[in-house]
Amino acid sequence: KQEVTQIPAALSVPEGENLVLNCSFTDSAIYNLQWFRQDPGKGLTSLLLIQSSQREQTSGRLNASLDKSSGRSTLYIAASQPGDSATYLCAVRPGGATNKLIFGTGTLLAVQP
Amino acid sequence: SQTIHQWPATLVQPVGSPLSLECTVEGTSNPNLYWYRQAAGRGLQLLFYSVGIGQISSEVPQNLSASRPQDRQFILSSKKLLLSDSGFYLCAWSARGAGDQRAKNIQYFGAGTRLSVL
Repeated sequence: KQEVTQIPAALSVPEGENLVLNCSFTDSAIYNLQWFRQDPGKGLTSLLLIQSSQREQTSGRLNASLDKSSGRSTLYIAASQPGDSATYLCAVRPGGATNKLIFGTGTLLAVQP
Repeated sequence: SQTIHQWPATLVQPVGSPLSLECTVEGTSNPNLYWYRQAAGRGLQLLFYSVGIGQISSEVPQNLSASRPQDRQFILSSKKLLLSDSGFYLCAWSARGAGDQRAKNIQYFGAGTRLSVL
């Protein structure tokens, strides 16, 4: 059974700092991995999607890497801003035809001005 | 552009009462549709997904059911709510059919419904 874990559960950093969020999964047979952002009481916004054949994806100040064999992904946020404060969730799509996602419990990020 | 609507935004219901949450998608056709629940201190859990009208797959046994009466409408229901049904319910859609594989893999979420069962 696929399990997704995110460390740390919460993180507080001063503005301008670079930071890394971690995601690990127990079954390396994944189709893809996504990083989402969730603001308090809101829905999710997709940030980056990495296919199983890819090693990383970049969007602006965000860079996500994937090491499928070791069951790990990282989300790197450069030059953090207070507006980056949110919960960050990673989710894996298991191999197979069904487009369902298995989510981690998230990392709550607070960027202090 | 595509949009997804969920309502209501918040709901407080007594134990034993029925439930109906609605989700509609605009700007696309024949989407995959999903219902997730986010309970306090737990990750998002997929409850149901649908690949077409009347086609519902349940991921976990529970007190809830889902229906898809129209192509872009997904309804989450219960006949009698339990305390454990409290949580944040999210509807999502993803594209189907021919086209960009990356686009088909991305799920787009609604704003969610906060359900409190008392």
